[in-house]
Amino acid sequence: GENVEQHPSTLSVQEGDSAVIKCTYSDSASNYFPWYKQELGKRPQLIIDIRSNVGEKKDQRIAVTLNKTAKHFSLHITETQPEDSAVYFCAASKGSGYSTLTFGKGTMLLVSP
Amino acid sequence: DGGITQSPKYLFRKEGQNVTLSCEQNLNHDAMYWYRQDPGQGLRLIYYSQIVNDFQKGDIAEGYSVSREKKESFPLTVTSAQKNPTAFYLCASSPPRWQPNEKLFFGSGTQLSVL
Repeated sequence: GENVEQHPSTLSVQEGDSAVIKCTYSDSASNYFPWYKQELGKRPQLIIDIRSNVGEKKDQRIAVTLNKTAKHFSLHITETQPEDSAVYFCAASKGSGYSTLTFGKGTMLLVSP
Repeated sequence: DGGITQSPKYLFRKEGQNVTLSCEQNLNHDAMYWYRQDPGQGLRLIYYSQIVNDFQKGDIAEGYSVSREKKESFPLTVTSAQKNPTAFYLCASSPPRWQPNEKLFFGSGTQLSVL
C-alpha cells in the first residue's frame, strides 16, 4: 500500500520567516495530495491540495509544489504568523470514487513572535 | 448548520469492555471514515464506508468493528480485543471525487482512555 513520509516532525521559526514541510510518497499511482492543518484541540481542516496534473498551486501565503518524478511534494508558508502554529499533515490518495487518504505523521510548526 | 458530530468528547473504557463511539453527519455524504490519531503517528485509517450497508477495513482494523445502517451514521465499536485503545478517534465524511469539493470533513473527535 501507499506509504507517506513527512519531515521534519517539528519546526520552529520566527514570525515573518518562511516554513517548508516536505513529504514523499511511495505509490506512483497516487494523484491527489492534500494538506491538513490541525490546531491544538481542534479537528483537522484542509488548507490546500494539489493534483498530479499540476506542478504548483498557491493560495495567499501558502503554496504546494509537486515533483511526480521524485514522488515528493512540499508545503511552503511565507511570512509566518503565530496563528500558523499547528500540526500539519500531508496525505496522498489514488484512483477514482471516494478518497482513501494515507497521511504522513505530521509536522508540529511553532511560530514565535 | 451542516456538519459532522462525534460523541462523546471523552470516553473511558474498563478492561474487557466494549465501547461505542458515535458519528453522525448531515452533509449528505456517501462516504464516511474512522481514523485513529496517536501522538507522533499521524492519522491511521481504521474502517471506511462508501455506501450504506457496506464497509471496508483500513490499515488498523483489528480490534474494531463498525456498522453503516443509515447514511448519516457510522458508529465505531472498540472491542476488548483492542489491547491498546487509548487514542484520539476522528470520524470524517467526504463527497465523491468527481465533485469539486472532495475534501474530508472531520468531526471534533473522541478521546478514549483506559481506566
